[in-house]
Amino acid sequence: EAQVTQNPRYLITVTGKKLTVTCSQNMNHEYMSWYRQDPGLGLRQIYYSMNVEVTDKGDVPEGYKVSRKEKRNFPLILESPSPNQTSLYFCASSLQGNSPLHFGNGTRLTVT
Amino acid sequence: AQSVAQPEDQVNVAEGNPLTVKCTYSVSGNPYLFWYVQYPNRGLQFLLKYITGDNLVKGSYGFEAEFNKSQTSFHLKKPSALVSDSALYFCALVNQAGTALIFGKGTTLSVSS
Repeated sequence: EAQVTQNPRYLITVTGKKLTVTCSQNMNHEYMSWYRQDPGLGLRQIYYSMNVEVTDKGDVPEGYKVSRKEKRNFPLILESPSPNQTSLYFCASSLQGNSPLHFGNGTRLTVT
Repeated sequence: AQSVAQPEDQVNVAEGNPLTVKCTYSVSGNPYLFWYVQYPNRGLQFLLKYITGDNLVKGSYGFEAEFNKSQTSFHLKKPSALVSDSALYFCALVNQAGTALIFGKGTTLSVSS
């Protein structure tokens, strides 16, 4: 089954404790991206990757890092999480940047 | 500046009635537009897209959308709503660099039986 898999689904952590949210896709997509969803704000892009080893900032990249060492994986790293990063995070992939996105089921992160 | 607006936070319709979820956009050049649906505790699912061509676009689950260039709108429609259509709907626009989707704030559709 074609899918984007994110883990974990739920995560509660404390300020400053480094964490990684994993994302993997099995569709051989070139493009991958991370979004955060906040009430009343819709979804905003954090980072994106057009291909392996090519990543770039989206609209809200502060406090986040990503890497794209393999085509299928695109982890999101929070080196020092803060409460304002409490949000619902989505990983997505597509054939290219203007193709329909396939979304994972989301990771709900709470930083206390 | 590129932007997407969904003017209604919530739309309420009765089952069997037609539904419309509104979306307007702002972009210089030709827009690439999408509609997505989000069910509780799930990721967004693609419904339909407009790239070019026919102004009436048909998508999944009986949904369609009407592109209107003069009004810069891309409204989502369905002739007969189902209770199972109740969900959060997002309109989105591809940015000019082709690297991201710009999303509206979302519209909650509630279909009553």
